[in-house]
Amino acid sequence: DTEVTQTPKHLVMGMTNKKSLKCEQHMGHRAMYWYKQKAKKPPELMFVYSYEKLSINESVPSRFSPECPNSSLLNLHLHALQPEDSALYLCASSQDQGRLHGQYFGPGTRLTVL
Amino acid sequence: KNEVEQSPQNLTAQEGEFITINCSYSVGISALHWLQQHPGGGIVSLFMLSSGKKKHGRLIATINIQEKHSSLHITASHPRDSAVYICAVVNNYQLIWGAGTKLIIKP
Repeated sequence: DTEVTQTPKHLVMGMTNKKSLKCEQHMGHRAMYWYKQKAKKPPELMFVYSYEKLSINESVPSRFSPECPNSSLLNLHLHALQPEDSALYLCASSQDQGRLHGQYFGPGTRLTVL
Repeated sequence: KNEVEQSPQNLTAQEGEFITINCSYSVGISALHWLQQHPGGGIVSLFMLSSGKKKHGRLIATINIQEKHSSLHITASHPRDSAVYICAVVNNYQLIWGAGTKLIIKP
């Protein structure tokens, strides 16, 4: 199984809602990532979980909070988002955060904030 | 100047043509990825290279570490190859992304 799955595929939410994005992999990978991608731009790294340790891109606002319940799952909790947060959210995993291991990407969640 | 530059930004070709997309980078890297993204969709990793050349089906990727340059070639291109192709380099355990090359193959 070389797949990273993400749910939901599409999400529409209001600015006062609380929602979560889910990401799962069963490849035994020890590093998982959240990226945000705006239209026609490359993905921007938001968070990395590597061996249960969280690394944060400090430009990411606190209305995004990651959670790693176990080594196969990575959630992204969303609260009080703004319309400019509308984007494609991509999850990825790799064997570890080291140099030579490729990242596997999920299909993404298309988020629209009204 | 961006650390990872791709060319061309946009490429339109006829079905069957040989396609080349280029990637130049200015930082030290431990590996380079070529990835594909269809409109509105997720990202598929095509290749990860640290030296030499790799081939998968009609796709070939090469890298010249000394010149800090990589190329992605598509032979016998097909309309289903239409997508954005992204070069990303691994630098200090992070990916630095190119802006992507939008490829359209016309039947």
